[in-house]
Amino acid sequence: DSGVTQTPKHLITATGQRVTLRCSPRSGDLSVYWYQQSLDQGLQFLIQYYNGEERAKGNILERFSAQQFPDLHSELNLSSLELGDSALYFCASSVRGGQRYEQYFGPGTRLTVT
Amino acid sequence: DQQVKQNSPSLSVQEGRISILNCDYTNSMFDYFLWYKKYPAEGPTFLISISSIKDKNEDGRFTVFLNKSAKHLSLHIVPSQPGDSAVYFCASLSGNTPLVFGKGTRLSVIA
Repeated sequence: DSGVTQTPKHLITATGQRVTLRCSPRSGDLSVYWYQQSLDQGLQFLIQYYNGEERAKGNILERFSAQQFPDLHSELNLSSLELGDSALYFCASSVRGGQRYEQYFGPGTRLTVT
Repeated sequence: DQQVKQNSPSLSVQEGRISILNCDYTNSMFDYFLWYKKYPAEGPTFLISISSIKDKNEDGRFTVFLNKSAKHLSLHIVPSQPGDSAVYFCASLSGNTPLVFGKGTRLSVIA
């Protein structure tokens, strides 16, 4: 157990709909990252938040948005869903200090768009 | 341009022997290097990391070696166990940039 939690575990929805994925980082971690893994693809970085503020953006579609709340949990909102958005979505949190950097991933949310 | 490369897509090792997974990188500004183990449809599991100011870090059966002059790192697993069979990814970052992942090496440990 990495300490990063994600809900829901599975989500099935129809094209055109909107969904929200939720992530809670490990206790004490201020950074949250979102990644997408489509079938047979590698991990694609979407977006990073640090202590409530957007820190970095990757290949995130305009239909997708995210935020990090004061309690440090994060939500990834996916709207106008298309079949190609079916994928595993992972959240991660990191800790950095001195000579140490570690990034831990959650178990993922499997999104199926039909 | 791939900044992090894992040139071996697969590796088979006998149980009890050493597994050596390799990774090359091009960005000399990377300051941390991480190794992950991944099963299908699961999140990557963090194994071990190393700072660019060190050349070796050890945690139990896992040791990571960093050769900055060659821009090369390796993960040694000793002794290898059947439960180690998975896909292994190396990843690197510099400053506050996101992790850059290699494409992975599939390790099969044969009993």
